[in-house]
Amino acid sequence: GQSLEQPSEVTAVEGAIVQINCTYQTSGFYGLSWYQQHDGGAPTFLSYNGLDGLEETGRFSSFLSRSDSYGYLLLQEPQMKDSASYFCAVRVNLGDDKIIFGKGTRLHILP
Amino acid sequence: NAGVMQNPRHLVRRRGQEARLRCSPMKGHSHVYWYRQLPEEGLKFMVYLQKENIIDESGMPKERFSAEFPKEGPSILRIQQVVRGDSAAYFCASSPTRETGARGTEAFFGQGTRLTVV
Repeated sequence: GQSLEQPSEVTAVEGAIVQINCTYQTSGFYGLSWYQQHDGGAPTFLSYNGLDGLEETGRFSSFLSRSDSYGYLLLQEPQMKDSASYFCAVRVNLGDDKIIFGKGTRLHILP
Repeated sequence: NAGVMQNPRHLVRRRGQEARLRCSPMKGHSHVYWYRQLPEEGLKFMVYLQKENIIDESGMPKERFSAEFPKEGPSILRIQQVVRGDSAAYFCASSPTRETGARGTEAFFGQGTRLTVV
């Protein structure tokens, strides 16, 4: 089967660095993406890694290690408005381009 | 360029009725995905469609649920004879083809349809 594992909750204080990990076991792999979802809202795309290494998009960065089937999302100087759910997602390259999502990590940023 | 449009935003149905959820993908996107989300839970893949074709419906219940993406018009997720357990948020997402580059892996989500079965 296909699975993505991420912590269910992470808590941090404003100004700290937050890291949300994701490990995956999928039959194929065509990139790891991260999405943010505020309560009651739609998931929105944050970041994508197709190759190993770090990608930076403003305060968000994302890392991928394909040999370890592992990635993480890094948030620098988090603010209370960043409190939301964060999902990692893998596009499974089986010729059908299906995207599989993890169950999400609920991030709480405290003042 | 309008985003992914889903309607209705909220849908209330009595047990046994039918629910029809609509999704218009972003212009130029040929891939549509449907996901289901229960409160406090993640996104669960249901079905992946391209125009006039169901590519993968492995996440969709075998009974009562069906999906289509006709040549003209929106994608439709249909739930027949709804039960209380069908109450959830249903999200539609669309993406361009892989050939558009790395960001082709990005999926754009609609605001979802929140189905309540009473």
